[in-house]
Amino acid sequence: QLQLQESGPGLVRPSETLSLTCTVSGGAISSSSYYWGWIRQPPGKGLEWIGSIYYSGSTYYNPSLKSRVTISVDMSKNQFSLKLSYIAAADTALYHCARQPVVRNFLNWHFDLWGRGTLVTVSS
Amino acid sequence: QSALTQPPSASGSPGQSVTISCTGTSSDVGGYNYVSWYQHHPGKAPKVMIYEVSKRPSGVPDRFSGSKSGNTASLTVSGLQAEDEADYYCSSYADSNNLVFGGGTKLTVL
Repeated sequence: QLQLQESGPGLVRPSETLSLTCTVSGGAISSSSYYWGWIRQPPGKGLEWIGSIYYSGSTYYNPSLKSRVTISVDMSKNQFSLKLSYIAAADTALYHCARQPVVRNFLNWHFDLWGRGTLVTVSS
Repeated sequence: QSALTQPPSASGSPGQSVTISCTGTSSDVGGYNYVSWYQHHPGKAPKVMIYEVSKRPSGVPDRFSGSKSGNTASLTVSGLQAEDEADYYCSSYADSNNLVFGGGTKLTVL
């Protein structure tokens, strides 16, 4: 049973860079059948897609966050990571990693497996 | 403010049906058949209930169904059960390789 587990600091100072990692267990991140994505949920608000990555390094980013986001993949560790720069209070959120299917070589725009999320608070 | 508009709350008694709406624009919901619905029990991982407007993943009860008309998608839960009480979020592919979500609907089983 494939599982996703987010990890990273629970507290980040404003203007710094947030770094989170998602560890994939029970399956290979190098599978050609999936992209791997990040989604966040600020307290009391809805979900927001951050971006997604393929094992080859191909990425899609939310246009509103693109200038501050970098998503990378480490196949040797079966992990993918999120870096979000110039953090502010509005970036306080529960950050989820998730799996996104590829069907007949086309990215299917939904997430079929999620992690529970890790809470990140931005505060000095 | 979320890109897709959902009612903040919905409710129904056990056995009843409830429908949750998700309204977007022609640049997202109305323009593509990549609408999905997620069930989220706080503290747990979200779970996809519907994808590509009306497709159900294996393991999701057929009490859950999805549809779309114009710029509005809908999730219907029939035969409500206590375990259906959760937050529900819609999402849609949007122009230029973007993915947008709704603000969420809290479903209460009375």
